[in-house]
Amino acid sequence: EVHLVQSGAEVKKAGESLKISCKASGYTFLSDWIGWVRQMPGKGLEWMGIISPGDSDVRYSLSFQGHVTISADKSINTAYLQWSSLRPSDTGIYYCVTLGVTVVDAFDFWGQGTTVTVS
Amino acid sequence: QSALTQPASMSGSPGQSITISCTGPTSDVGNYNVVSWYQKHPGKAPKLILYDDSERPSGVSDRFSGSKSGNTAFLTISGLQAEDEADYYCCSYRGPTTYVFASGTTVTVL
Repeated sequence: EVHLVQSGAEVKKAGESLKISCKASGYTFLSDWIGWVRQMPGKGLEWMGIISPGDSDVRYSLSFQGHVTISADKSINTAYLQWSSLRPSDTGIYYCVTLGVTVVDAFDFWGQGTTVTVS
Repeated sequence: QSALTQPASMSGSPGQSITISCTGPTSDVGNYNVVSWYQKHPGKAPKLILYDDSERPSGVSDRFSGSKSGNTAFLTISGLQAEDEADYYCCSYRGPTTYVFASGTTVTVL
């Protein structure tokens, strides 16, 4: 059974750095893309970007490119989302998602979400 | 800003059917058979309910169905139930492993 377990809630100040994690299990981590989706308070879902852990190929939404970094450590089946300088507008819930583990071209498994609050 | 448009809200009585539209550029929705739909209840992670325009993952109720015409995709919920009250999002493929979500539709069961 596929599980994505994300790191806990974070409260940070503007300008600080942050790295949140998503540990995957139940499938071959190297074989499928894993990405991140944001939901700002009271708003909809936004696709941020995705990484192929096997070769570290990363694709970003233009809305997020340059502000966040997506990475993965294949030795521990974990994906990461990081910021070097947070903004209050980064406040939201961040979900990690798998792409196409059981179905084609869809985000079939979701983590429980990590709430990030930036003041 | 999302390039995909959904109605902000829809409602229906129990037992009725509703159809949510998702309209995007021909280059996205109209060009690829890769629209997926997600259901999100407050406080919970989204759940995949349709992929490849109209396919249901295992375990998803057959009351959910999908179709597409030109650059508009549709999600139909048949036999509306109280548990269907949620936000629904379509998502389209945009090119090499890049995707976009629409702004979402809040469904209210009257």
